[in-house]
Amino acid sequence: GNSVTQMEGPVTLSEEAFLTINCTYTATGYPSLFWYVQYPGEGLQLLLKATKADDKGSNKGFEATYRKETTSFHLEKGSVQVSDSAVYFCALTPEGNQFYFGTGTSLTVIP
Amino acid sequence: NAGVMQNPRHLVRRRGQEARLRCSPMKGHSHVYWYRQLPEEGLKFMVYLQKENIIDESGMPKERFSAEFPKEGPSILRIQQVVRGDSAAYFCASSRASGRMDTQYFGPGTRLTVL
Repeated sequence: GNSVTQMEGPVTLSEEAFLTINCTYTATGYPSLFWYVQYPGEGLQLLLKATKADDKGSNKGFEATYRKETTSFHLEKGSVQVSDSAVYFCALTPEGNQFYFGTGTSLTVIP
Repeated sequence: NAGVMQNPRHLVRRRGQEARLRCSPMKGHSHVYWYRQLPEEGLKFMVYLQKENIIDESGMPKERFSAEFPKEGPSILRIQQVVRGDSAAYFCASSRASGRMDTQYFGPGTRLTVL
């Protein structure tokens, strides 16, 4: 089947710290992988995506590399800011009809 | 360039009433998806529609829930005879096409509270 497992939170970091949020998946075929971010009271916003093995998605200083051999898509950022505080969701779609989401990782960045 | 629009943003219903949630996809998008997010959980797929057709409703509860996407107007998710367990955030997403390369863009959600 298709599923996404995310590192459990909450995660609390100081400003300018390095961030890693782990994400691993199981899927049929060759899925596309996504990271979405959800700010309090809002919907999900696409952060980045990768559609094939070894692709690196990047946006706003965040990066994630599609690793087929380890079935992973870990999210990283070199220096977090207070404004990065949000819930981050890893997701996959094997065919595009439906997305499968992880349970989300809450990040709080303190000044 | 308006994104996906959902209304109402907040909806309060008493047990046994009907809840009707609306979603207008992004301009140029003809594929609509509904997801439910329970507290402290990720989003769970409910249904996928194109204009006038339900393509995949494998995530939809068998009773009380229905969805439509008419030729004109927004997509509607209808919940009849709501119960407390229906309290959740309901998100609509849209895409231009439905392949694995296509991104789904999400609306702000409707937060349903059942008293």
